[in-house]
Amino acid sequence: EIVLTQSPATLSLSPGERATLSCRASQSVSTKLAWYQQKPGQAPRLLIYDASNRATGFPVRFSGSGSGTDFTLTISSLEPEDFAVYYCQQRSNWPLTFGGGTKVESK
Amino acid sequence: EVQLVESGGGLVQPGGSLRLSCAASGITVITNYISWVRQAPGKGLEWVSVIYSGNGIHYADSVKGRFTISRDTSKNTVYLQMNSLRGDDTAVYYCAREWFGESNGIDVWGQGTTVTVSS
Repeated sequence: EIVLTQSPATLSLSPGERATLSCRASQSVSTKLAWYQQKPGQAPRLLIYDASNRATGFPVRFSGSGSGTDFTLTISSLEPEDFAVYYCQQRSNWPLTFGGGTKVESK
Repeated sequence: EVQLVESGGGLVQPGGSLRLSCAASGITVITNYISWVRQAPGKGLEWVSVIYSGNGIHYADSVKGRFTISRDTSKNTVYLQMNSLRGDDTAVYYCAREWFGESNGIDVWGQGTTVTVSS
């Protein structure tokens, strides 16, 4: 199965700062990668699909990039509601797999 | 409105069995990819299994041989039969719709049902 490694595990930033999250795959997944946002006590929510397409309802400060094995989620300027855990998921091969997550916390 | 509602969670002893249900409304389970995703307490997401049209089925390595996914089209419900349960199966289990068209991702999630494996 494809292993996804997310880094860092925790990102401590202040509102207004830029967040850069990484997801690395153990083999190529082309651009078949999704990102999810999860807040405490809630189910995850689809944020980015096909590596770089923003899902409905998310503002332009969220962007995704990458292909093959290296992917990045960028939040250009953190808002208070962006502090959450972010997961990547590969959708290239069965079984589908998730990364371990990156927690973006307020400094 | 598309909705997935899980049920069947609870406390079970190690080695025991449990069957989770996922009742769908607004979509039909036979024409969609319906997955189970779990989350252990304080941990990340783990994809568990999927069922889709033509009896397509896949499992995560961690549950293969112990868990069985199935569906009842008359009830528009997907099931996850979990046998030989272990402590590391303790988690919130989410039912989810995998979409492989536009917006390629899990676009619908249930509220989750909690499974606790403990003596």
